[in-house]
Amino acid sequence: DVKVTQSSRYLVKRTGEKVFLECVQDMDHENMFWYRQDPGLGLRLIYFSYDVKMKEKGDIPEGYSVSREKKERFSLILESASTNQTSMYLCASSRGGRNPYEQYFGPGTRLTVT
Amino acid sequence: SQQGEEDPQALSIQEGENATMNCSYKTSINNLQWYRQNSGRGLVHLILIRSNEREKHSGRLRVTLDTSKKSSSLLITASRAADTASYFCATEAYTGFQKLVFGTGTRLLVSP
Repeated sequence: DVKVTQSSRYLVKRTGEKVFLECVQDMDHENMFWYRQDPGLGLRLIYFSYDVKMKEKGDIPEGYSVSREKKERFSLILESASTNQTSMYLCASSRGGRNPYEQYFGPGTRLTVT
Repeated sequence: SQQGEEDPQALSIQEGENATMNCSYKTSINNLQWYRQNSGRGLVHLILIRSNEREKHSGRLRVTLDTSKKSSSLLITASRAADTASYFCATEAYTGFQKLVFGTGTRLLVSP
């Protein structure tokens, strides 16, 4: 079974702190994604990566950065956390290539910024 | 960006009944996928239907796709309490990156 793990289920940080969210997948997937989920807004794509050291902006990249130094690991960084970044963060991975593939999701990290 | 919109936003039924959820989107797609999310958890993939397919089945799930109307429906037959969850459609355009755009979801409650 594909497994996507996220470093924390719950996280509380203060405004202005630098926050790292880690995601690891064990199926050698090329693609990895970071979403945030807010009530009434569904899932919105922050960043994605289709290869090591490659990254692409999603729909809402402002205030975030990412890092992918190894194929299995994709990190989301909040350079200076703000209260409007309080949200559920979901990581996903999928196979690469031209064919469409499903995405496999981690359990999510519920981040609260106070 | 194109976004699927699910209808209804919430649905409450009894066990054994069928549940139908609809999804509409705005622009041409490569494929459409349905996902389930149990409360506070990650999403689980249910079914993928390509733009050249009209109907697909998986167990108690039936998905239809009408590209002329830019809409899809998910039917869950003989619902069970364990089907209680939020259901999301997600569309993928022809970007080559398998980038999905998710709708806002339908909350399904199945009562015993």
